[in-house]
Amino acid sequence: GAGVSQTPSNKVTEKGKYVELRCDPISGHTALYWYRQSLGQGPEFLIYFQGTGAADDSGLPNDRFFAVRPEGSVSTLKIQRTERGDSAVYLCASSSKGRDNSGANVLTFGAGSRLTVL
Amino acid sequence: RKEVEQDPGPFNVPEGATVAFNCTYSNSASQSFFWYRQDCRKEPKLLMSVYSSGNEDGRFTAQLNRASQYISLLIRDSKLSDSATYLCVVNTGRRALTFGSGTRLQVQP
Repeated sequence: GAGVSQTPSNKVTEKGKYVELRCDPISGHTALYWYRQSLGQGPEFLIYFQGTGAADDSGLPNDRFFAVRPEGSVSTLKIQRTERGDSAVYLCASSSKGRDNSGANVLTFGAGSRLTVL
Repeated sequence: RKEVEQDPGPFNVPEGATVAFNCTYSNSASQSFFWYRQDCRKEPKLLMSVYSSGNEDGRFTAQLNRASQYISLLIRDSKLSDSATYLCVVNTGRRALTFGSGTRLQVQP
């Protein structure tokens, strides 16, 4: 697609429930990132995929959080036994292997999935 | 200590003013630097990369000081549409970018 697509845009759930958030990156982008943003804070890194594999999952807060990208395109972030502290906007971003003039990767973000845990 | 630190603001400035934001980073091995802009309840969008020699894009100028480990963003002739949160972003050596908490700018008529 033309941009990074995330669904659902809003999700309200109850404490203890299971949640899945989906990200469809820009076509052809090999790198995919999940970030989490709480009110008044910057995006906090969760996990990074290069192709199908998780190249860096050091940002996942605990084992309730898991993400997959089975075919190297769409990714799903899965949260088990949700807690009120999981409430945040979950942002997905993708980037191509191409780099800007500085040699760095540039991220394009989706609009985010706003998760509210009651 | 946070890897990337910014003054949260808000910076309230009149239209036409010049405003500058600074950001400091802790990892001296950091390689690449950016400013992203985030409008209220929207996703972050790349504003500009920051090059070692400094760079300008219209009314926006970014500077990097590696010795002091800080990055700056200067906005000249502020417009109402510049009101947003400006996120300092650094590649700290991990594979993903590290974001600061952002500096909020409010340009007033």
